[in-house]
Amino acid sequence: DTAVSQTPKYLVTQMGNDKSIKCEQNLGHDTMYWYKQDSKKFLKIMFSYNNKELIINETVPNRFSPKSPDKAHLNLHINSLELGDSAVYFCASSQTTVGRPVVSEQFFGPGTRLTVL
Amino acid sequence: AQTVTQSQPEMSVQEAETVTLSCTYDTSENNYYLFWYKQPPSRQMILVIRQEAYKQQNATENRFSVNFQKAAKSFSLKISDSQLGDTAMYFCAVFTSYGKLTFGQGTILTVHP
Repeated sequence: DTAVSQTPKYLVTQMGNDKSIKCEQNLGHDTMYWYKQDSKKFLKIMFSYNNKELIINETVPNRFSPKSPDKAHLNLHINSLELGDSAVYFCASSQTTVGRPVVSEQFFGPGTRLTVL
Repeated sequence: AQTVTQSQPEMSVQEAETVTLSCTYDTSENNYYLFWYKQPPSRQMILVIRQEAYKQQNATENRFSVNFQKAAKSFSLKISDSQLGDTAMYFCAVFTSYGKLTFGQGTILTVHP
């Protein structure tokens, strides 16, 4: 069984389009994340949700909007796609302990390679 | 804010030999955790080993071990008896403040037969 799944795994689209990437975890974790890995393989956190509440929002353009309908899902919607959005996007999840830093590892999905033409 | 630096963009090693990947970090927090993740060509991120900063004992996981020097903010990964399957990109990461993982730039490790 896949622990953290993402769909689609590959996404090719034209500049200006709107697209979504879906993420689901079946680990029972309460925190989910989105990371962006650029062409130089640099990984940077974008968003983090704990129990459907946004807790980390790095400097990301407003065109990116995460949505968490429940604890097991965190989707990423991107409006007006630009060439610079081309990257691999990773979803991850972990289990937190209230009032303490997260101590458990983050489990990553397989990544979604987004190509904007 | 925290930063993580991996000064070796690429490393290579012969099968069965030992290799050490370097990592330095900076954080203002007292409670933090350090991780090494592996990303093979399949691009899946796989946890290799983790270290709690409050523990003085270096973590080990089979052929993987770390040399954690807290005062120097150094966290190197040693891979013993290297195997072809160890070929991957390795990322060092520091973990603080409610789940924020900050990654280094990565080191590409190639294991030669």
